[in-house]
Order: sequence, then structure tokens, then C-alpha cells
Amino acid sequence: GQNIDQPTEMTATEGAIVQINCTYQTSGFNGLFWYQQHAGEAPTFLSYNVLDGLEEKGRFSSFLSRSKGYSYLLLKELQMKDSASYLCAVLPYQKVTFGIGTKLQVIP
Amino acid sequence: GAVVSQHPSWVICKSGTSVKIECRSLDFQATTMFWYRQFPKQSLMLMATSNEGSKATYEQGVEKDKFLINHASLTLSTLTVTSAHPEDSSFYICSAVTSTSTDTQYFGPGTRLTVL
Repeated sequence: GQNIDQPTEMTATEGAIVQINCTYQTSGFNGLFWYQQHAGEAPTFLSYNVLDGLEEKGRFSSFLSRSKGYSYLLLKELQMKDSASYLCAVLPYQKVTFGIGTKLQVIP
Repeated sequence: GAVVSQHPSWVICKSGTSVKIECRSLDFQATTMFWYRQFPKQSLMLMATSNEGSKATYEQGVEKDKFLINHASLTLSTLTVTSAHPEDSSFYICSAVTSTSTDTQYFGPGTRLTVL
């Protein structure tokens, strides 16, 4: 089966850096996604990691360690608009499995 | 690129009626579309995988006779909630994959269904 763990809530200050962790246990692995979801809206794609290492895209970076079943999303220079839920999703074979998401609140 | 739209964005209906939700890929052809349901404070739950020109594959526990899925073209999939009941009230989201990037899903904006 599939199991994805993320912290349910986090709070960080505007301008700071925050790291959202995700651990997973899946039967098979073909990639890990991070999505951002604002309240009442559908998720938007942030990143996709299939190999170990760090992928940087502007203020957002995502790291993957397949041997540890571990990923993190790093958000730099936090802005108020970054307040949202961040979903870690794993692609075992063909069907993506989503974690419950981490609700990030950015405070002034 | 890779824009997905849904219609309607929200709908309120009476118990026992049927509701159709459309999912369109606007600037690409989507051989595969996915339908998700999300209850408040919960993650997305995959309901079914829809492939153009063939029957949808439903996840365990999802009633295929209640949630009718049609994928008649490469740019349109529809989900019909038949005989809706209040417990069907949820946020329904579709996603699509492109032929060149079959792993990355692009989500529609979602449809909020409220059944009275």
C-alpha cells in the first residue's frame, strides 16, 4: 500500500525560509510531486522529482532521497500569498497518491 | 500551456437530481483524465481514471453507476453525479496529462457541489 506523511500545519514569518517535509512508503516509485493548493481552489503544480537531489525553481526548491523515502519543499523569502496547503504526492506506477497536505500560514 | 477548465465552478442542487460536470483541456489533447473528490480538510481522493474512447477505471469504493464518466474526445471528459444526496457534497477536481508529460497532472479549477 501507500503511506505519505506530512506535518499538518506550520507557521512561518514573512521573509523567512520554511522547509516542509514529506516521508513516504510506497510499493514502487516513479516520482514525487509537490502541489500548492489555496483554500477553495484546485492544486497547482510546483515540482517533480524523480532522481535524488535538489531541484531549484525560483523561490521554491524540492529535494528527494529515494533511499530514505524522504522529500522536502523549501520556500525562501516567504510572502503572504504563500499561505496555502502544500501537498506531497507520490507516483508509485500510474496513479498518483496524495498526502493530506501541510497547511502553511505565513504571518507578518 | 496545459490549461484545464471545469464547468460549472459551483453548483447547488436538490437531493435526487443529477449533476454533470465538464472537464476540458484547452490547449492540449488529453488521452487520460483523472477525477478526484476532496472533502473539507482532507486530501484529494482519486475516484476514477478516464481514458478517451474507453470505459473509465474506478477506484475501490466508488460506485460507477452513481458517478458516470464519459471521455468522448481528447479534450473533454464529463462526470455525472446521478441521484445526488447531501453526502455527495464535495469539491470535485479533474486533472489531465499531456502526451509528452504523462506523469505531471494539470488540474482544473474544481467544482464545488452542494446537495440540499
